[in-house]
Amino acid sequence: ETGVTQTPRHLVMGMTNKKSLKCEQHLGHNAMYWYKQSAKKPLELMFVYSLEERVENNSVPSRFSPECPNSSHLFLHLHTLQPEDSALYLCASSQDEGGWDGYTFGSGTRLTVV
Amino acid sequence: QQQVKQSPQSLIVQKGGISIINCAYENTAFDYFPWYQQFPGKGPALLIAIRPDVSEKKEGRFTISFNKSAKQFSLHIMDSQPGDSATYFCAASLKSGYSTLTFGKGTMLLVSP
Repeated sequence: ETGVTQTPRHLVMGMTNKKSLKCEQHLGHNAMYWYKQSAKKPLELMFVYSLEERVENNSVPSRFSPECPNSSHLFLHLHTLQPEDSALYLCASSQDEGGWDGYTFGSGTRLTVV
Repeated sequence: QQQVKQSPQSLIVQKGGISIINCAYENTAFDYFPWYQQFPGKGPALLIAIRPDVSEKKEGRFTISFNKSAKQFSLHIMDSQPGDSATYFCAASLKSGYSTLTFGKGTMLLVSP
């Protein structure tokens, strides 16, 4: 375990479903991130939270909705997704916003939209 | 954000050989350059990082070479082992102010026994 736990590991959902991805870290980090990883593409930053406040939203469609109730937990709420949203969704945390000590990634949730 | 271009997309190296992965960046303000290693079914993990005040950083078999004038940096894996088989990502960001990492597309390395 890296210190960042993501659940579920795999998720298959229909385009009309609503589901949530969960991320948890107990590293005492102050920043948390959602990344999307698709084949043959760079890791795409979706959302950044620093001290529980959203500091960056990279023009992500509104069908993705993040929530950070406290510094240890991060959620990604999903609704009315499209097949092209199928990807590996990675959560990461870092001590500070800049991540100079490195990001700690979870193992990801493999999402398939059918 | 500015792009980070990574090559090659995939690489096959014999056991004991040297693996070399290259990255180029555009934003001259970038001043933090980490490399991440990702095994199948796992998230990326920080491998080694460099700042532009040095031209080289070595940690065990892994070395980053940095060429500021060319805006390029590379990862060298000496005495490559089958256990090094993974996907490697370079990244870059700004040290000052607020910045998140910009990642390259990744290189899939296979070290043959």
